[in-house]
Amino acid sequence: EAQVTQNPRYLITVTGKKLTVTCSQNMNHEYMSWYRQDPGLGLRQIYYSMNVEVTDKGDVPEGYKVSRKEKRNFPLILESPSPNQTSLYFCASSLFPGTGGLDTEAFFGQGTRLTVV
Amino acid sequence: SQQGEEDPQALSIQEGENATMNCSYKTSINNLQWYRQNSGRGLVHLILIRSNEREKHSGRLRVTLDTSKKSSSLLITASRAADTASYFCATDTARGSTLGRLYFGRGTQLTVWP
Repeated sequence: EAQVTQNPRYLITVTGKKLTVTCSQNMNHEYMSWYRQDPGLGLRQIYYSMNVEVTDKGDVPEGYKVSRKEKRNFPLILESPSPNQTSLYFCASSLFPGTGGLDTEAFFGQGTRLTVV
Repeated sequence: SQQGEEDPQALSIQEGENATMNCSYKTSINNLQWYRQNSGRGLVHLILIRSNEREKHSGRLRVTLDTSKKSSSLLITASRAADTASYFCATDTARGSTLGRLYFGRGTQLTVWP
């Protein structure tokens, strides 16, 4: 079954304690991204990756890191979490549009609800 | 911002009625997509319409696109209580530095009462 898997689904942590949210997809997609969703603000992109070892900042990258060592995995790292990073996080993957006019339908994980106290 | 904006923010209807949601965007697009999100869950892709298409159907869904007005609408016919969810439009500009990025609106919360 084609899917994007995020872990953990729920996480409560304390300010300053480093954490990693994992994301894995089994569709051989080139493009992966992380979003955060906050009430009234919709989905905002944090980081994205066009392929292995290629990552770039989205709209709200401050306080986050990512890596793309393998095509299927795209972990989100919070080196020193703060309460303003309390949010619902989504990982998504899609084909890379590039040439050929491929459509970029995105597949989303089930989300990680993070609370930083 | 290239973000799409949905209208209305919230919509409440009875089962069997049609639900119409609108999306406006700012820049040229490659395609526009609609997603659905059940409360607290991941987004699920519903339908994609390319910039050279004007209308598309999928089951009870009908999407229109007017590139001259930079707007799209999603119509859900004969709505059911199970259609209760948030609906988001997302634009794919697919060019230059934004290649591959999707820009989401803030969503329309649809409630369908039995």
